[in-house]
Amino acid sequence: GAGVSQSPSNKVTEKGKDVELRCDPISGHTALYWYRQSLGQGLEFLIYFQGNSAPDKSGLPSDRFSAERTGGSVSTLTIQRTQQEDSAVYLCASSLSWSEAYEQYFGPGTRLTVT
Amino acid sequence: AQSVTQPDIHITVSEGASLELRCNYSYGATPYLFWYVQSPGQGLQLLLKYFSGDTLVQGIKGFEAEFKRSQSSFNLRKPSVHWSDAAEYFCAVGAPGGSYIPTFGRGTSLIVHP
Repeated sequence: GAGVSQSPSNKVTEKGKDVELRCDPISGHTALYWYRQSLGQGLEFLIYFQGNSAPDKSGLPSDRFSAERTGGSVSTLTIQRTQQEDSAVYLCASSLSWSEAYEQYFGPGTRLTVT
Repeated sequence: AQSVTQPDIHITVSEGASLELRCNYSYGATPYLFWYVQSPGQGLQLLLKYFSGDTLVQGIKGFEAEFKRSQSSFNLRKPSVHWSDAAEYFCAVGAPGGSYIPTFGRGTSLIVHP
């Protein structure tokens, strides 16, 4: 079956612009996760959804970051007024449920470059 | 809170040679432990995981890892490396009974020479 898909695969934007990153999880997976991978760094956990609900948003780096999930499926990560330090690969993952978070399936990521 | 350290940023091996990637964790009890691989332009793929029981864990693609409580380590090994193993490898640790989100190390980049 289809895996986790993310779009766009690459995004170049000017500083100060808003961007939207999309994640389409594996069908039937109720839990969805967003991570940020900066050059030379590990994965930084941003936020997770169980269904359409995000119980803990404390991992979001600033209030310029927001995420939503509708219909228990597709999720969008929005970064407003992008800064150069936002440049990174944004990874999305999904799992059958929150309690199965150790069995996450990752998408290929969106590489964001802020110029 | 748990943490994980991968001491080696880069590892270079020749094709056919054996491989060991190091991972050390910090956690007050026996954690959950994982290794993921990320090929260029790809997402992360779970290679293997340890929850409990046998401390030698077999994974996909011929990889294995051994949990050593006394050393707080979970090193990844492969007896003979193939050129296609060149990738970024991430060790991760999870806290049983805590947050289900694993904490990832910074990764080790594996370079394979022909």
